[in-house]
Amino acid sequence: GQQVMQIPQYQHVQEGEDFTTYCNSSTTLSNIQWYKQRPGGHPVFLIQLVKSGEVKKQKRLTFQFGEAKKNSSLHITATQTTDVGTYFCAGNTGFQKLVFGTGTRLLVSP
Amino acid sequence: DARVTQTPRHKVTEMGQEVTMRCQPILGHNTVFWYRQTMMQGLELLAYFRNRAPLDDSGMPKDRFSAEMPDATLATLKIQPSEPRDSAVYFCASGRLAGGEQYFGPGTRLTVT
Repeated sequence: GQQVMQIPQYQHVQEGEDFTTYCNSSTTLSNIQWYKQRPGGHPVFLIQLVKSGEVKKQKRLTFQFGEAKKNSSLHITATQTTDVGTYFCAGNTGFQKLVFGTGTRLLVSP
Repeated sequence: DARVTQTPRHKVTEMGQEVTMRCQPILGHNTVFWYRQTMMQGLELLAYFRNRAPLDDSGMPKDRFSAEMPDATLATLKIQPSEPRDSAVYFCASGRLAGGEQYFGPGTRLTVT
């Protein structure tokens, strides 16, 4: 079945450093979504990318969808302690359900 | 501010007991999902419904788990009998489209002793 892997599994940065998580699918995706889950919380939708090569920005967060629509990345510039949490990508192959990635847990030290 | 609600938020039970978790999706959302989250397995899709009809429950252990939508405002996930390996956080999510944005509830943290 379809698999969606994320790397790294875990990253610990100092506040102000940049952070990037990468998402790779075993199959071509019709779209990809990103979610953030704070410790003890639930996943919260951040963004959806649909087009090949698409880049979207939300303040300090930059999301990219690969040209082949099989990979994606989330980059956070100048991390803050409020960025702490686990970031999940979720891929849609067009079979009407999302497959969530393995997640990247981000820890930010002040 | 529309939200998905789940009850109970926490449940501790003994092995062999029946557990029922409830979810109220956001009004107007016709797709409902049940996920299980553990440290080891991550976020797993157990089942999902569209317009109250089950579309996929391949992620669910059929012998002990069952999921239903008695009406558009209620989804239930039942485990009978429960086992310690069922200990996890169970999330319900709803959306307008199965492949679209999903809104998650706060989850039910289940502990089976």
